[in-house]
Amino acid sequence: GENVEQHPSTLSVQEGDSAVIKCTYSDSASNYFPWYKQELGKRPQLIIDIRSNVGEKKDQRIAVTLNKTAKHFSLHITETQPEDSAVYFCAASKAGANNLFFGTGTRLTVIP
Amino acid sequence: DSGVTQTPKHLITATGQRVTLRCSPRSGDLSVYWYQQSLDQGLQFLIQYYNGEERAKGNILERFSAQQFPDLHSELNLSSLELGDSALYFCASSVAASGNYEQYFGPGTRLTVT
Repeated sequence: GENVEQHPSTLSVQEGDSAVIKCTYSDSASNYFPWYKQELGKRPQLIIDIRSNVGEKKDQRIAVTLNKTAKHFSLHITETQPEDSAVYFCAASKAGANNLFFGTGTRLTVIP
Repeated sequence: DSGVTQTPKHLITATGQRVTLRCSPRSGDLSVYWYQQSLDQGLQFLIQYYNGEERAKGNILERFSAQQFPDLHSELNLSSLELGDSALYFCASSVAASGNYEQYFGPGTRLTVT
């Protein structure tokens, strides 16, 4: 089955700086890569996703890039704000798979 | 608000007991997924239902079971509870059976076993 690895496990940045979280996946057939943000005690929220037919997708201050050859994808957050502090999970899946395969999460702390 | 609802929000019970968690998917979604999240841990996939039928099983214990009803709401039954079952239980819904579609999570049920 699919194996998703996520790095780093914790990340601290100064407010206004950029943050990058990286994930690798093992199954070359995976074609859907969502990112979830989870604040303490809250539900995971889908913040952005990308499919394998594109290499990059942006939504305001967040972007996701995908390198199919290397089988890795990254979340980029620019101009970080304290409210970006949360745990971020990457995931991967493919057509015919019945569930998402999640990474182990990155705890992002934005220092004011 | 994702449109997925879960009840109850909190549940405190004793070891050996049985509880039922309920989930209503977003309007139009046919798939329901159940996940377990222990303290400071990741999301462990338990089980998926699509349009009333079980589609996939993950790391679900034999003491746990689930079902999806004709109105598409789902229930997760946890029995012979142990201290280690204390966790946040999330359900998520999706429009399709395949995992490569957006999943939207409910607010979760926090289960505490004492």
